[in-house]
This record gives sequence, structure tokens and C-alpha cells, in this order.
Amino acid sequence: GQSLEQPSEVTAVEGAIVQINCTYQTSGFYGLSWYQQHDGGAPTFLSYNALDGLEETGRFSSFLSRSDSYGYLLLQELQMKDSASYFCAVRYSSASKIIFGSGTRLSIRP
Amino acid sequence: EAGVTQFPSHSVIEKGQTVTLRCDPISGHDNLYWYRRVMGKEIKFLLHFVKESKQDESGMPNNRFLAERTGGTYSTLKVQPAELEDSGVYFCASQKTGRTEAFFGQGTRLTVV
Repeated sequence: GQSLEQPSEVTAVEGAIVQINCTYQTSGFYGLSWYQQHDGGAPTFLSYNALDGLEETGRFSSFLSRSDSYGYLLLQELQMKDSASYFCAVRYSSASKIIFGSGTRLSIRP
Repeated sequence: EAGVTQFPSHSVIEKGQTVTLRCDPISGHDNLYWYRRVMGKEIKFLLHFVKESKQDESGMPNNRFLAERTGGTYSTLKVQPAELEDSGVYFCASQKTGRTEAFFGQGTRLTVV
């Protein structure tokens, strides 16, 4: 089967660091992506990991461990505009559909 | 480059009526996906087109839903007849073959009353 698990809600303080975890079970695995969605907006791509390790893009980093079927999104120097829902997503082949997790709602306090 | 566009942005229809949603993907993107998000829950997969062919339609809830992509360009998703549980935000996304990033439209918010 195919399922992804991530926390439903996370709260953090402006300027801090937060990590959003994602575990997945798929019949195959090709890569793990992260998307951000603000209320009323479209999901937008943040990062992609196909191999183990950390990928860094500015304040955002994403990590993957294929052996553990686990990944996380790390957000540093949190800003109020980072308040949004964050989705992990997997695909099991280069030509397959993209399956999304249920999303983590990140709330940031001043 | 124009992004993924969806029409209409909002639709309110009565139970039993028909609604057709349209998605125009980014030019040159062979992959087109339909998703639905209900009440802030998961982004649920509905259907995947590669050009004009249905690659995977395992997420379509029932035969009241019909998706087409004639000519491999824009796609339509028809719901007939609509039921209350069909309410939600329907997203379309397109992706260039071989690339990792999918681009989403702003979605169509469908409300069935």
C-alpha cells in the first residue's frame, strides 16, 4: 500500500527552527518532495530528495533516509509568512502519480 | 511562462446538477494530475494523464466523475450528478516529464448544496 504520515499541527516561535517529519510506506519509492500551501493558495514546490542526505535551499532544508522510509523538512529563522500547511509527497517511479501526505499545519507565534 | 490555470475559481451548485472543471497546464507539460482537498485534509490523488492517455485513474471516487484530456492539452473534470460529499477544492497540477517539480493551479472551490 501507499501511505504517508506527518504530524497534523506544529507550533513554533518566530526566529526559531522547526522540523516536520514524514514517514512513508509505498510499494516502491522514487523520491520525496515537500510542498507548501498557504490558506486559499496553491501548493508550491519546496524541495526534492531522491538520495539519502540533506538538501539545503536557503532557510529550508530537506532530509531523506531511504532505509528508514523517513524524511523531514527543516525550517530555520522562522518568519510569520512561513505559517502554512506543509505536505510531504512521494512517487514510486519516474512516471507514476504523486501521493501526498495529510499535511502539517505550521503556526508561528511572535 | 504562464502557470497552470483553472476555471472556474469557485462553483456553487445544487445536488444532482452537473459541473465541469477545466485545467490548462503549462505548455509542454505532458503530465497532468487532478487532486482534491476536502475540509483542510489531505491532498487526495484523483487522476494522472500522460499526454491524452489516462496513466492512472485509481483515485477517481466513482463513475460520477469523468476526466478527459483531448489532444493532450487542457483537461476537464466533469461531476455528474454532483453529491454533497463532492464539495472541496479541486486542484490541477502539471509536470514536465523527467522533472521533479509539479506546478499547481489555484484550484476550483466546489460547493454542492
